[in-house]
Amino acid sequence: KNEVEQSPQNLTAQEGEFITINCSYSVGISALHWLQQHPGGGIVSLFMLSSGKKKHGRLIATINIQEKHSSLHITASHPRDSAVYICAVIGGGADGLTFGKGTHLIIQP
Amino acid sequence: EPEVTQTPSHQVTQMGQEVILRCVPISNHLYFYWYRQILGQKVEFLVSFYNNEISEKSEIFDDQFSVERPDGSNFTLKIRSTKLEDSAMYFCASSEGRAVPYEQYFGPGTRLTVT
Repeated sequence: KNEVEQSPQNLTAQEGEFITINCSYSVGISALHWLQQHPGGGIVSLFMLSSGKKKHGRLIATINIQEKHSSLHITASHPRDSAVYICAVIGGGADGLTFGKGTHLIIQP
Repeated sequence: EPEVTQTPSHQVTQMGQEVILRCVPISNHLYFYWYRQILGQKVEFLVSFYNNEISEKSEIFDDQFSVERPDGSNFTLKIRSTKLEDSAMYFCASSEGRAVPYEQYFGPGTRLTVT
């Protein structure tokens, strides 16, 4: 069973700061997802990664398969980035994603 | 852009009642999933469904739960006799195929409150 750990659990930063959220997992995977959950609960997929790095706007996600670690970076953070960011993994022939507990990010103006 | 939809957005029911949560997956997707998130906890996988049968289920998905694709568009989760601990947000998801490289797309969720 894969254990997915995220850090930090909570993060408060000022607008414009560079944000890093980390995710580690215990068992090899086929892919890792970064997801965003806003108050009210809806989940939006940001990235799916199997290797390397992906960039979308101000968001960058990286993964190191050997170290079983991924990071999500937000450049030039903005209050609208305030949300819970969740790491989820899939692998081992499973259909379902295994989720981390999420990182609650607050960006203050 | 196509999206997964779920109804209702909020369902309140009494303990022991049956509830059916409905989802309309993205139209060309073949795999369907249910997840739940108890308040303050992480999202958990319940079940996946493909070709009109369950593909995989977690230990949470016991005999109280069932899933069905009653027609070409809907995908439902039924809880036979609800318990207080079934109170949670239930998310439906769908994907074109299984695992990599196919991404799962989530619906907005149904908040189930059991009183």
